[in-house]
Amino acid sequence: NAGVTQTPKFRILKIGQSMTLQCTQDMNHNYMYWYRQDPGMGLKLIYYSVGAGITDKGEVPNGYNVSRSTTEDFPLRLELAAPSQTSVYFCASSYSNGPRTQYFGPGTRLLVL
Amino acid sequence: GQQLNQSPQSMFIQEGEDVSMNCTSSSIFNTWLWYKQDPGEGPVLLIALYKAGELTSNGRLTAQFGITRKDSFLNISASIPSDVGIYFCAGPATQGGSEKLVFGKGTKLTVNP
Repeated sequence: NAGVTQTPKFRILKIGQSMTLQCTQDMNHNYMYWYRQDPGMGLKLIYYSVGAGITDKGEVPNGYNVSRSTTEDFPLRLELAAPSQTSVYFCASSYSNGPRTQYFGPGTRLLVL
Repeated sequence: GQQLNQSPQSMFIQEGEDVSMNCTSSSIFNTWLWYKQDPGEGPVLLIALYKAGELTSNGRLTAQFGITRKDSFLNISASIPSDVGIYFCAGPATQGGSEKLVFGKGTKLTVNP
């Protein structure tokens, strides 16, 4: 199993550009999550999904959109990139039963200039 | 919402020293998770605690679930350079009818050879 994979690893965007951060998991997890990590601030939840076709907002959803058409994939969309979205983005997944122990991808580093 | 406070924020130690860090909350948690994040990588689960008073080890790492259920401790014995990274505590919190993980801001560990 590859676990949770994310692409790209690194991206530079200009203000106003759009992009999609890809996330795929091969563990058949129902739950998937997107976090952003800013220096010294820990992880903040952007969006999450409890299964295909179901998504919900987390703590900091503004400026982002998600979709979940399959169990495996959970892409994060930035429509109009802003400098405040410069961050490291992590995707995670977990089983739907139990304490929700989450498994993380390697992250996407995004720089908006 | 529920918050986790980690201390210390950062630690600078010599190789071979023991390390202690903790995580506290104003509310009760039923599960405590400890993650480690290597530089440039996503967080990786180290230890999961499910019962008040539980003491669990993973190699040189030992974590304890506080009796009050409002705190947890992580100890690393005989530190080595590869222990460098950020250590996060996390616990499940129910928000809006769904269970999500709440993360502390992390303890950054530096080990000098």
